[in-house]
Amino acid sequence: AQSVTQLGSHVSVSEGALVLLRCNYSSSVPPYLFWYVQYPNQGLQLLLKYTTGATLVKGINGFEAEFKKSETSFHLTKPSAHMSDAAEYFCALNTGTASKLTFGTGTRLQVTL
Amino acid sequence: DVKVTQSSRYLVKRTGEKVFLECVQDMDHENMFWYRQDPGLGLRLIYFSYDVKMKEKGDIPEGYSVSREKKERFSLILESASTNQTSMYLCASSLLWGYENYGYTFGSGTRLTVV
Repeated sequence: AQSVTQLGSHVSVSEGALVLLRCNYSSSVPPYLFWYVQYPNQGLQLLLKYTTGATLVKGINGFEAEFKKSETSFHLTKPSAHMSDAAEYFCALNTGTASKLTFGTGTRLQVTL
Repeated sequence: DVKVTQSSRYLVKRTGEKVFLECVQDMDHENMFWYRQDPGLGLRLIYFSYDVKMKEKGDIPEGYSVSREKKERFSLILESASTNQTSMYLCASSLLWGYENYGYTFGSGTRLTVV
């Protein structure tokens, strides 16, 4: 069965510091991977996705993620955090056998001055 | 922009009431989904539909039903609301898998409180 694990339910960084949100997946077939962001009292918004091709994927708001098959990981990074990045972030997986996404439990990012 | 619209942002209902949550999308997407979101549990799939009048159970369908009479509308029904159904409910839509794999487009969510 496919699954997604997000390490750390809460991450706190200083403004201007590197953001690193971790996501590991389990899948018996090549995965499609997604990162979503959720701002307070809103739905989820797609940040970036990996389907095929280049393993370093760039998304909106300066975020990027690298697909590492050997480590079964798809960590989300941003070189310099901004206050507006404070939100909850969800990693999600689809193995292409159906249209359903499997979500991780989320990581809440706090950005401090 | 693709839009997924959920009819209510906040709802308060009484235990035992029948509750309807409505979701409408305007991009002719085949697939529609209902998730509930709870702290520490992430998003859990309740039901999804890949065509009009078609539905499939997700991971936690108990206590819920759905209706899809038109392609653009997907309704979640709580037959007899209970306090453990207090949650944030998120609707999403997507193209049929195998086409552009853009993932889901989500609505803004409905925060349901059952008292």
